Amino acid sequence: AQKVTQAQTEISVVEKEDVTLDCVYETRDTTYYLFWYKQPPSGELVFLIRRNSFDEQNEISGRYSWNFQKSTSSFNFTITASQVVDSAVYFCALRNDYKLSFGAGTTVTVRA
Amino acid sequence: EAQVTQNPRYLITVTGKKLTVTCSQNMNHEYMSWYRQDPGLGLRQIYYSMNVEVTDKGDVPEGYKVSRKEKRNFPLILESPSPNQTSLYFCASSLGFQEMDTGELFFGEGSRLTVL
Repeated sequence: AQKVTQAQTEISVVEKEDVTLDCVYETRDTTYYLFWYKQPPSGELVFLIRRNSFDEQNEISGRYSWNFQKSTSSFNFTITASQVVDSAVYFCALRNDYKLSFGAGTTVTVRA
Repeated sequence: EAQVTQNPRYLITVTGKKLTVTCSQNMNHEYMSWYRQDPGLGLRQIYYSMNVEVTDKGDVPEGYKVSRKEKRNFPLILESPSPNQTSLYFCASSLGFQEMDTGELFFGEGSRLTVL
């Protein structure tokens, strides 16, 4: 069985603060993919990043960065200098074979 | 434009009245899947399909049926809807899993279903 845990239910920050979202996963498979999706108030799911299990390089994309650590089964996501437009629900997900499992999501509220 | 299209986007129905939520993709994807999203539970997989005529249960299949007669379409059928099926539903598709490097899922815009 596979499982994704996002322990933080809600995070509230003031604009320009950094925010880190935690994601811990469980799987017995050696080949898998990890994802982060953003769901803004409008409701659609926006793909942010995909990382495969053989690539532990951290990645930075603009104000977003991801830290993948297989040793701790974590795939954390940091938003640097947050903006009001970053307010959304963020989901971490794990995919192997044909199953995709999502965490419960973290609601991020960025206040002006 | 590459997309996954779901219909209807919003539906209010009554207990026991059969309904179908359609899903269509124009990317020639082999893999399609349905999820439901509920507060505090994230998205949970209902059914998935690896290709035409090949489907399998996800984590929460009870009360749902699917079919995959054509590659582009993957309808979700609620034969006898109940209030606990009130939820936000997402359809998704991606290239097949033969090449694991193509892992991205493309999601539809969601269908909000209310069963009274």
